[in-house]
Amino acid sequence: QKEVEQNSGPLSVPEGAIASLNCTYSDRGSQSFFWYRQYSGKSPELIMSIYSNGDKEDGRFTAQLNKASQYVSLLIRDSQPSDSATYLCAVTRPAGNKLTFGGGTRVLVKP
Amino acid sequence: NAGVMQNPRHLVRRRGQEARLRCSPMKGHSHVYWYRQLPEEGLKFMVYLQKENIIDESGMPKERFSAEFPKEGPSILRIQQVVRGDSAAYFCASSPRNRGIYEQYFGPGTRLTVT
Repeated sequence: QKEVEQNSGPLSVPEGAIASLNCTYSDRGSQSFFWYRQYSGKSPELIMSIYSNGDKEDGRFTAQLNKASQYVSLLIRDSQPSDSATYLCAVTRPAGNKLTFGGGTRVLVKP
Repeated sequence: NAGVMQNPRHLVRRRGQEARLRCSPMKGHSHVYWYRQLPEEGLKFMVYLQKENIIDESGMPKERFSAEFPKEGPSILRIQQVVRGDSAAYFCASSPRNRGIYEQYFGPGTRLTVT
């Protein structure tokens, strides 16, 4: 079992729609959770961090964390073609230590 | 506020040569992490350093690879006697890791090609 699992996609989303990305993790001791966006040939860019159960919103992005189910998700509202990228889920245990990444979900937003 | 800086951005080495990758963290960040992304593979942790200390090197290959973060100057990832399998993108990230802030910010990466 992989430590952090994501559906590789591609997730095809019409422009203006909501993109929903999911991530599960195996280590119940995981404490910090992050979503990164990575364009092809570029470095990961931090989008969201979440540390406690519930929802966290930042602009068009909402992260949701459920530690009991070992599940973290990312919603992208009003998806734009510029959102087309690979989205990486990452966890740390304990907080501040190494990031363990999922394989990423490729998102394609079609005009 | 400058971001994480890495150089060189592209590095070509012949098999058997040494590669030195440099990383300067963001201002105010004292924690540096190195990650490697092999072609068509995910990001893998290599090493975590603070000034003059290696905190976690559990992801470093046992041979040929070393890392340092001296009191003055950038962090260095050194690969001796490179082989074709070392061809990858090497990313450095930094974090303030204080006041409950654990986010890691990535530099642009160094693309290493071994010929």
